[in-house]
Order: sequence, then C-alpha cells, then structure tokens
Amino acid sequence: ETGVTQTPRHLVMGMTNKKSLKCEQHLGHNAMYWYKQSAKKPLELMFVYNFKEQTENNSVPSRFSPECPNSSHLFLHLHTLQPEDSALYLCASSQARPGLEGSTQYFGPGTRLTVL
Amino acid sequence: AQSVTQLDSQVPVFEEAPVELRCNYSSSVSVYLFWYVQYPNQGLQLLLKYLSGSTLVESINGFEAEFNKSQTSFHLRKPSVHISDTAEYFCAVSPFSGGYQKVTFGIGTKLQVIP
Repeated sequence: ETGVTQTPRHLVMGMTNKKSLKCEQHLGHNAMYWYKQSAKKPLELMFVYNFKEQTENNSVPSRFSPECPNSSHLFLHLHTLQPEDSALYLCASSQARPGLEGSTQYFGPGTRLTVL
Repeated sequence: AQSVTQLDSQVPVFEEAPVELRCNYSSSVSVYLFWYVQYPNQGLQLLLKYLSGSTLVESINGFEAEFNKSQTSFHLRKPSVHISDTAEYFCAVSPFSGGYQKVTFGIGTKLQVIP
C-alpha cells in the first residue's frame, strides 16, 4: 500500500468513550501531522511530530492525546470528547526539513468523527 | 507569519466553461505556494506548487496557476472544466525558511460544476 492511510474512515462515539485514530505513511517521510477540518473553517494544525518527537502542539485540549511510536505511524487517542469535536481529522506527512520538500505535505483520506 | 485569503467560498460554473479560483496571501518573507484539491470524502491532494522561475505553473489535469508577486496572488485557472473537477480547492503558503511546520492553508473554495 502506498501513500498515507487512515483508519477508521468513519467513527461515531459517545462523550464518555475512548477511541483511537490511526495513521500510517509509506512515503519514507519523517514528519507527521494531525489536522482538524471543520466546516467553514481553515484547516487547524493540531500536532506535529519530527522523528517521533512532538514539535508542535497548537493549544489542543488534553482530551486529544497523540502518539508517534515511529516515523511511519501516528495515533490520536480520544477520550471524553465534546460534540464540537465532530470533524474530519486528517493526517499528513512530509520530509522534516526546510525547503520545498518539507513544505509539501501528503494527506490521508481522513477520519470522519461524530461525537454524540 | 503568513496568511492566505480565498475570497470565494463557493464557485458554481457550467461544464466546459472557464473558471478562476482566487488566492491572495500575505507574508513578510518569500514563500512557496500550493494548491491542493479535496474530492468528496477524501483527503487533500497536491494539485500544483510554485517555487521559483516561471510564474505560470501547470498541473497534469489542465489546471494552471499564476504567481503575481506585486499583487501577492496565486490564482488557479482552468479554461474548460469537467464534472469531475467538482471539489474543494485549498490555497496554501509556506516560508522558504522556518521549516516544514509552517504551512498555512486558506479556508477553501468549493467548485461546483453544473452539467
């Protein structure tokens, strides 16, 4: 399999549930990202990982907990979410370096999350 | 810091008609420019990118974008659209330096091609 994959594609959860989103990239990249995409809003960068180390956390609530066990895998652990957290969660990857290569991001298909 | 403005949230256009999707940006440093496309129920896909050189950049599916430094714009055009072009289009910028974390996306423009 090539590119960036995400599972599950759709997830419905209650506010008291705990679930995890998974992302895997097969591009040999070493930077990975979580974005939140909500209707009528720009893409919101949530977390950035560089060689498994978290380098960016854009004031994301603690009910979202990322994990990056290696450069190819990224998880987003979810617990006690709110209905306003319903959105499309996109994973992306890139080279972790300045310049055009690092700026070009490759996205997965996303997980459509609905919080009831 | 940089910002991206996509003035049109939705653009309806008839099939085989031309289309222009507008993107303006602001930045205190030189930037790379990108257009991404998002088809329904999919993630974003890179459509084209501008680094330097010729101000006109083309993609494989007939889209082109022109970099205008004086107007700080990077508008996306296609001379004749198809139904399959119905999607949401995102303009993005990233500074030459400052690394991979600094990509800024616009709010997106939904292109609706009418048969």
